[in-house]
Amino acid sequence: GAVVSQHPSRVICKSGTSVKIECRSLDFQATTMFWYRQFPKQSLMLMATSNEGSKATYEQGVEKDKFLINHASLTLSTLTVTSAHPEDSSFYICSAPGGGKNIQYFGAGTRLSVL
Amino acid sequence: TQLLKQSPQFLSIQEGENLTVYCNSSSVFSSLQWYRQEPGEGPVLLVTVVTGGEVKKLKRLTFQFGDARKDSSLHITAAQPGDTGLYLCAGLLMDSSYKLIFGSGTRLLVRP
Repeated sequence: GAVVSQHPSRVICKSGTSVKIECRSLDFQATTMFWYRQFPKQSLMLMATSNEGSKATYEQGVEKDKFLINHASLTLSTLTVTSAHPEDSSFYICSAPGGGKNIQYFGAGTRLSVL
Repeated sequence: TQLLKQSPQFLSIQEGENLTVYCNSSSVFSSLQWYRQEPGEGPVLLVTVVTGGEVKKLKRLTFQFGDARKDSSLHITAAQPGDTGLYLCAGLLMDSSYKLIFGSGTRLLVRP
């Protein structure tokens, strides 16, 4: 079946550095991908919609300059957390719709820890 | 603001008991999905309900979509420790965005 691969699965970085997270659709094309953030013991909160070949659409309250999204190909979207701070520590998950409107494939998530 | 509210937020029950999780909204959704998530992993789809009033069964799990497509419920019969996890409902918006909005989540603990 279709798979969405997310990399890295875990990253630890120092405060002030930037971290890039990749989301790949392995056997299907995804013109749209979604990025979510999940804090401990909470649900997934949609951060932004990544659109291939155009600007991402951010949800209210999400800083676009802080969370840079690039969707340069039909199989890859990247989320860069710029100048990361401890409060950015979270579980980041991507997803891509495929095979119909009601089917969405999720990555395994990236655990970001900012020291 | 949580568009989809789930209740209860946390449930701790004994093995063999039944339980129901509710997902409510004032918005109408194109479809509603239920996921289960283990710590440190992405959510795994359990079921998608599309038609108002629809009922789907998956072994001991029964899912129902409200007639007005604003709410849903998940009922687990004879819960087992393996059912422990975070249960999430997610609604697909009526527009063409493919955007999924997740509920607040229900953390279930089934004690042996």
